[in-house]
Amino acid sequence: GEDVEQSLFLSVREGDSSVINCTYTDSSSTYLYWYKQEPGAGLQLLTYIFSNMDMKQDQRLTVLLNKKDKHLSLRIADTQTGDSAIYFCAERHDKIIFGKGTRLHILP
Amino acid sequence: DTEVTQTPKHLVMGMTNKKSLKCEQHMGHRAMYWYKQKAKKPPELMFVYSYEKLSINESVPSRFSPECPNSSLLNLHLHALQPEDSALYLCASSQVGGSREQYFGPGTRLTVT
Repeated sequence: GEDVEQSLFLSVREGDSSVINCTYTDSSSTYLYWYKQEPGAGLQLLTYIFSNMDMKQDQRLTVLLNKKDKHLSLRIADTQTGDSAIYFCAERHDKIIFGKGTRLHILP
Repeated sequence: DTEVTQTPKHLVMGMTNKKSLKCEQHMGHRAMYWYKQKAKKPPELMFVYSYEKLSINESVPSRFSPECPNSSLLNLHLHALQPEDSALYLCASSQVGGSREQYFGPGTRLTVT
């Protein structure tokens, strides 16, 4: 079956790197996505990666994909207070399946 | 422009009321989606429209009635809702092929009293 797992909470000091991890079960997933949701807001697409890639970088964001282990990670460099949010990992097969979300808390 | 707009932002309705949620996008996307999101949970897919035709209904109760009048607009008609239907309702759109990344609107916060 399809399932996406994420840790529920991550606490990081301002200026450090944040690494949010995700595992998925459907090996036929074609695309994997990272979304950010701030309180009271909709989901903001941060980045996505095609399943035949192993890395994608976009400014402070780096996505790593280990297809063999079905493991996806999002690294946020130089974490800022504005990065405080819930981050959803999602996979696509015939429809998007979301993980439960990781709440990123920034320590001063 | 990657904007999806939704109106209203907030809606309070009684269990006997009829109301509608509206969603609009001008990105030329031909797939549009309705999601329901409860607090501290991921979005749950309700409906998918592809080329203005309903392609997925995730066994949603008939008190929720979607409508796609044209390729830019998506409505969700609400009737005889229950208090447990209170949630954030999110609209999204995407291309039909390729990466199909979905762009979300800000949502409508619905409270059923």
